[in-house]
Amino acid sequence: GAVVSQHPSWVICKSGTSVKIECRSLDFQATTMFWYRQFPKQSLMLMATSNEGSKATYEQGVEKDKFLINHASLTLSTLTVTSAHPEDSSFYICSARDSNRGGQQPQHFGDGTRLSIL
Amino acid sequence: GENVEQHPSTLSVQEGDSAVIKCTYSDSASNYFPWYKQELGKRPQLIIDIRSNVGEKKDQRIAVTLNKTAKHFSLHITETQPEDSAVYFCAASIGNAGNMLTFGGGTRLMVKP
Repeated sequence: GAVVSQHPSWVICKSGTSVKIECRSLDFQATTMFWYRQFPKQSLMLMATSNEGSKATYEQGVEKDKFLINHASLTLSTLTVTSAHPEDSSFYICSARDSNRGGQQPQHFGDGTRLSIL
Repeated sequence: GENVEQHPSTLSVQEGDSAVIKCTYSDSASNYFPWYKQELGKRPQLIIDIRSNVGEKKDQRIAVTLNKTAKHFSLHITETQPEDSAVYFCAASIGNAGNMLTFGGGTRLMVKP
């Protein structure tokens, strides 16, 4: 149980393209999901907290107009990197926990999306 | 906000030896501390976690200890095997496991056969 699916796993595109990444909880509902960015050989840095039915909460320094988050259902959150540039190239990972099982359930991560902007 | 420091950044051990990774946190309100293992290009996987009402937790070759007073927690891996080689991240959370995690910088563990 507690599987988080992330799609696509790898994207290569030209500068200026917008890229949408999906994060789905397959066998549980998640009112909150988290989006992280990880540069090579570095730790996971939280970008934003995605809240079902309301606006996402962005961490300091993360441009909300650049990284659009939509959490329209209890099983799906999307991150759209708008007008992506080479500096946006990174590994993006989402996480979620089962919101129906109380506050002590751990977070489970998706497989990540490797984004390469040429 | 919370700040989590992790040491060492790299650790090389001989197969069969023990490995210890240490983390400190800054916010005394943090009460949930998971450890994740991440292999190259893959998702972080939870290997063990501990809550602030417990001082130690063990799962086969893996154990975690927590010192709330000193605000530090450690991961202990005994009888290391080559497949233990990966990057390990500690994290801290305030409130409960579903809340925002603040990660340490990671430790690259290499187990030599």
